[in-house]
Amino acid sequence: EEQLEESGGGLVKPGGSLRLSCAASGFIFISYSVNWVRLVPGKGLEWVAFISPNSDHIYYADSVKGRFTVSRDNAKKSLYLQMNSLRAEDTAVYYCARHSRDEGMDVWGQGTTVTVSS
Amino acid sequence: DIVMTQSPLSLSVTPGEPASISCRSSQSLLHTNGYNYLDWYVQRPGQSPQLLISLASNRASGVPDRFSGGGSGTDFTLKISRVEAGDVGIYYCMQALHTLPTFGPGTRVDI
Repeated sequence: EEQLEESGGGLVKPGGSLRLSCAASGFIFISYSVNWVRLVPGKGLEWVAFISPNSDHIYYADSVKGRFTVSRDNAKKSLYLQMNSLRAEDTAVYYCARHSRDEGMDVWGQGTTVTVSS
Repeated sequence: DIVMTQSPLSLSVTPGEPASISCRSSQSLLHTNGYNYLDWYVQRPGQSPQLLISLASNRASGVPDRFSGGGSGTDFTLKISRVEAGDVGIYYCMQALHTLPTFGPGTRVDI
């Protein structure tokens, strides 16, 4: 079964840092781009970041650019999101999602919750 | 950035009856290859988002044929031919044409 599983969420103070991980299984990880998408309470889904299979194309939403860094380790079949200078508005459930431009985000993890609060 | 809008934002449906959600983009999503880069997702209560439709009208694997997508350019529609109780959730359109994907605000569907 094709699966993604996020981890690393938690409670952090404003200005703090957190690193999310996403482990892939059941498919050839290196063949796919991956996105981070977050569900913001009361607001809906927001795309956060994209990374191509070989990490040669990386894009960020304006709201996180300069603070978040996406990376991947294809040998470990893992995706990461380093989040620095966290703000209250970053509070959300964070999902990793497999991406194919012609087939959409077709595999999603179960999500990991990040709460930024003092 | 491409702005996505949806209507209605809330929809109360009767099981067995049809339902329709509209999505509009601020720029055309029609690629030179002839495809419209518009996806539909649903987030059911307590679950992760799920892909329903890609390229405006292609049903994802395992999605019942009660769900259909249509439209082109800037105007798109998701239709459910016969609503079931399990269709409750929030439905999002998302443009996938430009480098930075953007979601619509979501349409809450309840019974």
